[in-house]
Amino acid sequence: GENVEQHPSTLSVQEGDSAVIKCTYSDSASNYFPWYKQELGKGPQLIIDIRSNVGEKKDQRIAVTLNKTAKHFSLHITETQPEDSAVYFCAASLPKYSSASKIIFGSGTRLSIRP
Amino acid sequence: NAGVTQTPKFRILKIGQSMTLQCTQDMNHNYMYWYRQDPGMGLKLIYYSVGAGITDKGEVPNGYNVSRSTTEDFPLRLELAAPSQTSVYFCASSYPGTGNNQPQHFGDGTRLSIL
Repeated sequence: GENVEQHPSTLSVQEGDSAVIKCTYSDSASNYFPWYKQELGKGPQLIIDIRSNVGEKKDQRIAVTLNKTAKHFSLHITETQPEDSAVYFCAASLPKYSSASKIIFGSGTRLSIRP
Repeated sequence: NAGVTQTPKFRILKIGQSMTLQCTQDMNHNYMYWYRQDPGMGLKLIYYSVGAGITDKGEVPNGYNVSRSTTEDFPLRLELAAPSQTSVYFCASSYPGTGNNQPQHFGDGTRLSIL
């Protein structure tokens, strides 16, 4: 069945350095890839998303890249700050359920920023 | 706008009890979803709805029921609580795009323990 794999499960970086989280998806027809940030005790919040008609999207310190041939996409956070510490989830759309906007989530990456 | 509101925030149930997790949204979104999140895992879809009067099963529907009588509300019912249903439950909603996936907006969750 459909699957999204996410790596690493935990990541610790020095404040100011960059962080990269990678995901692979199984259904080549997936065309929408959101990233969510979940802070402790809160629900996931969308931070950036990308559709399959573009290869890269950037929003200030956050960027996402998509390689459709290899079926993987990555989240890049530059100049990390303490408030970037959270759990990050990638997700991919389920094409046969596109009319219901259904997505499948990766298992999450716990990002810690060291001062 | 309050967004997606879930109640209660915390609940402890005894095995065999029943309860309803409430979810309401004020964004006039047609699509609504229920997920469960187990420790260290991603989100698994329980049920979803594309509009009032229409519901469908997700990945892990066993032991749960839903109803959708209004656009705003999407309650999740546990009839006979089991320890395996100990989890954090998230409700989400999204606007129905024209054939394209749209971002899902999440509530802050209900933390449920079955003892």
